[in-house]
Amino acid sequence: QVQLVESGGGLVKPGGSLRLSCAASGFSFSDYYMGWIRQAPGKGLEWLSYISGSGDIVHYADSVMGRFTISRDNAKNSLYLQMNSLRAEDTAVYYCARVVTVTTYRFDPWGQGTLVTVSS
Amino acid sequence: QSVLTQPPSVSGAPGQRVTISCLGSSSNIGTVYDVHWYQQLPGTAPKLLIYANTNRPSGVPDRFSASKSGTSASLAITGLQPEDEADYYCQSYDSSLSASVFGGGTKLTVL
Repeated sequence: QVQLVESGGGLVKPGGSLRLSCAASGFSFSDYYMGWIRQAPGKGLEWLSYISGSGDIVHYADSVMGRFTISRDNAKNSLYLQMNSLRAEDTAVYYCARVVTVTTYRFDPWGQGTLVTVSS
Repeated sequence: QSVLTQPPSVSGAPGQRVTISCLGSSSNIGTVYDVHWYQQLPGTAPKLLIYANTNRPSGVPDRFSASKSGTSASLAITGLQPEDEADYYCQSYDSSLSASVFGGGTKLTVL
């Protein structure tokens, strides 16, 4: 079955960096766009970024453009999110998701999430 | 402030029917873009509930249905069950923002 497992979350100081990983299994990873979505504590969902199957097309939300970088390693069936210049407002659970690109992009399935806390 | 507007909460008794609205604009729901719905049970990751306005993935009970009209969409749940208590989110694409967008979420309470 399709499985996505995030890792790499933790506590980081404002201005610091963190790299999240998402290990995928159960499907042909390189055939799919992948994405990151986050959820601040007690808040709603916010799309952050997606990347094409080959990795040559990337899109970012304005809130993270220039600070976050999405990438993938198809040989390792892994997705990454490099987060720099972290701010308190980046505190959230970060989910990776497979992106279904038939008509309007949708996210299915999602990983279990990894918590990032930005605090001094 | 979410691009797609949902009521913060709805409630209903077991067996009843509830609807959750998702209001958009001419740059998202009101154009060619589909609406998808997700269910987030307490303490878990979101799960796709409805895709492309009206379609249920396999395994989703037919108690869940959805529609889209103009610049809005709605999710209906009939025969409410205690296990339906969750947060529900609509999602589409916004051409002005060039971004996937979510509603703010609606907390369903089964009384």
